Amino acid sequence: AQRVTQPEKLLSVFKGAPVELKCNYSYSGSPELFWYVQYSRQRLQLLLRHISRESIKGFTADLNKGETSFHLKKPFAQEEDSAMYYCALTSYDKVIFGPGTSLSVIP
Amino acid sequence: NAGVMQNPRHLVRRRGQEARLRCSPMKGHSHVYWYRQLPEEGLKFMVYLQKENIIDESGMPKERFSAEFPKEGPSILRIQQVVRGDSAAYFCASSPARNEGYTFGSGTRLTVV
Repeated sequence: AQRVTQPEKLLSVFKGAPVELKCNYSYSGSPELFWYVQYSRQRLQLLLRHISRESIKGFTADLNKGETSFHLKKPFAQEEDSAMYYCALTSYDKVIFGPGTSLSVIP
Repeated sequence: NAGVMQNPRHLVRRRGQEARLRCSPMKGHSHVYWYRQLPEEGLKFMVYLQKENIIDESGMPKERFSAEFPKEGPSILRIQQVVRGDSAAYFCASSPARNEGYTFGSGTRLTVV
């Protein structure tokens, strides 16, 4: 069964510290993975997708097929990074979201 | 381009009433997805529609919930005889093709009193 897990419901880091939001998945096939972000009082928006291998707002994510992971990383957290982050997997006809991790960056 | 428009933003219904949530996809998008976000939980897939067709409704509760995406007009998520447990944020997303990146609406927060 296709599934996305995000083990941390809440994550707090200090400003300037590195941050890593964990995501693991189970999928039989070649997955396409995404990270979505929802800032306070804003709509959910796409942050990045693994096939584009880009860095958005300083965030990167590498697909590790051996560990079935797609962790989101940023070397130096900023206060404006505080938000809800969802890891997502494309299934055949829909996107499946993980439960989300609420990131709080402490000034 | 106004993006994905959902209305109303907030909807309050008494137990037993009907709730109708509307979603107008982005211009040029013919694929619509509905998700539900319960308090303290993530986004749960409900249904995927293309114009006039339900493609995947595996996440829809078997009773009281229905969805449509007519040839003209917005997609509608309809909840009959609402109960307190239906209180949640309902998000709609659209895409130009299957599994292209989603664009989300701002959601409708349904409160059942």
